[in-house]
Amino acid sequence: ILNVEQSPQSLHVQEGDSTNFTCSFPSSNFYALHWYRWETAKSPEALFVMTLNGDEKKKGRISATLNTKEGYSYLYIKGSQPEDSATYLCAFRWAGSYQLTFGKGTKLSVIP
Amino acid sequence: DTGVSQNPRHKITKRGQNVTFRCDPISEHNRLYWYRQTLGQGPEFLTYFQNEAQLEKSRLLSDRFSAERPKGSFSTLEIQRTEQGDSAMYLCASSSRRDPTNEQFFGPGTRLTVL
Repeated sequence: ILNVEQSPQSLHVQEGDSTNFTCSFPSSNFYALHWYRWETAKSPEALFVMTLNGDEKKKGRISATLNTKEGYSYLYIKGSQPEDSATYLCAFRWAGSYQLTFGKGTKLSVIP
Repeated sequence: DTGVSQNPRHKITKRGQNVTFRCDPISEHNRLYWYRQTLGQGPEFLTYFQNEAQLEKSRLLSDRFSAERPKGSFSTLEIQRTEQGDSAMYLCASSSRRDPTNEQFFGPGTRLTVL
């Protein structure tokens, strides 16, 4: 059984604050780590796919890092805006399979 | 719109009825996935197709569930004799064999409520 854990479960921040979340996953048999943003009533939006230990990816104010040896990834949001309010999901893909195993997500609320 | 589409977006049914959902992937994507999300959980994998072949199935996919992708394009997910525990968001995703990262693009989901 694969366990993908995300913390915190939910987070409230003020507009302009920077924040970060954690995703932990099995360190063995790793193939890729995906991050998604899911707003209510919309499709989950792909943010990043990371495959190499030490990977760092950035999209605007959002960035992510990957440590496959210890089995964790961080997602950072700089200068949070109300439109960043969403649930952020990470998903682990192990070698030999195409399925994704998701964490429960971190629900971010940005207060104007 | 060239994204993944799903129909219907919402379905309310009575326990014991059969329901069928449809997913249209991004047109050039040959891989298609079904996931289910229940309250408070992340999406859970149900099944995966490469073209028309169903290559992976989760233990979650009981014998009341069947998925097809007859021509390697759209897919249907049927649930027979629905139970209240089947109430969930059913998500479809697709990916391209040309993408080495196999990034999966999701549709908006079908929310099923079983009364």
